[in-house]
Amino acid sequence: GDSVTQMEGPVTLSEEAFLTINCTYTATGYPSLFWYVQYPGEGLQLLLKATKADDKGSNKGFEATYRKETTSFHLEKGSVQVSDSAVYFCALSDLGIQGAQKLVFGQGTRLTINP
Amino acid sequence: DTEVTQTPKHLVMGMTNKKSLKCEQHMGHRAMYWYKQKAKKPPELMFVYSYEKLSINESVPSRFSPECPNSSLLNLHLHALQPEDSALYLCASSQESFGVGTEAFFGQGTRLTVV
Repeated sequence: GDSVTQMEGPVTLSEEAFLTINCTYTATGYPSLFWYVQYPGEGLQLLLKATKADDKGSNKGFEATYRKETTSFHLEKGSVQVSDSAVYFCALSDLGIQGAQKLVFGQGTRLTINP
Repeated sequence: DTEVTQTPKHLVMGMTNKKSLKCEQHMGHRAMYWYKQKAKKPPELMFVYSYEKLSINESVPSRFSPECPNSSLLNLHLHALQPEDSALYLCASSQESFGVGTEAFFGQGTRLTVV
């Protein structure tokens, strides 16, 4: 079945550092790819998405490019802030057997930014 | 209004109790979802409703019973739960379930503790 693999956390960085969180996927079809963020005690918020190969999703300084040849969707930010501390989930969506969209999540990466 | 509202935010119930979780959205979305999230784990899909009909049941035990009274509401009825069912239960909605790349909006979740 479809799966998503994220780099293991936790990740701790200093403010203004460069961030990369690796994400690779396995899918039989042509999935859409997402990054969701979860702040403590809250639900998930969509950070960015890409629906086809070579698409770049971007939001709030975060970027990720859909790389079909390497089956990857790595998340990057040039200069992180303390407020970026959260858990980040890479996810893919594809049509399930029953024809309804399914979201498959990676394990999540906990990011802590120190001032 | 881009919110998915879940009630209650916290729930403690005994193993013999019957309770219900509620989810509401007013974005005109026709697909709604229940996810279960254990601590430090990604969300796991439980059910998908599409146009008010159950389209995916991920082999969830019958002690969890979903209901979709109308296109804006989604309930999860709980009965005879076990302590291992304690988790954060997340509701989500999307414009439709058949469109790959469709963004899912998540609620804040109900934190359930079974004693």
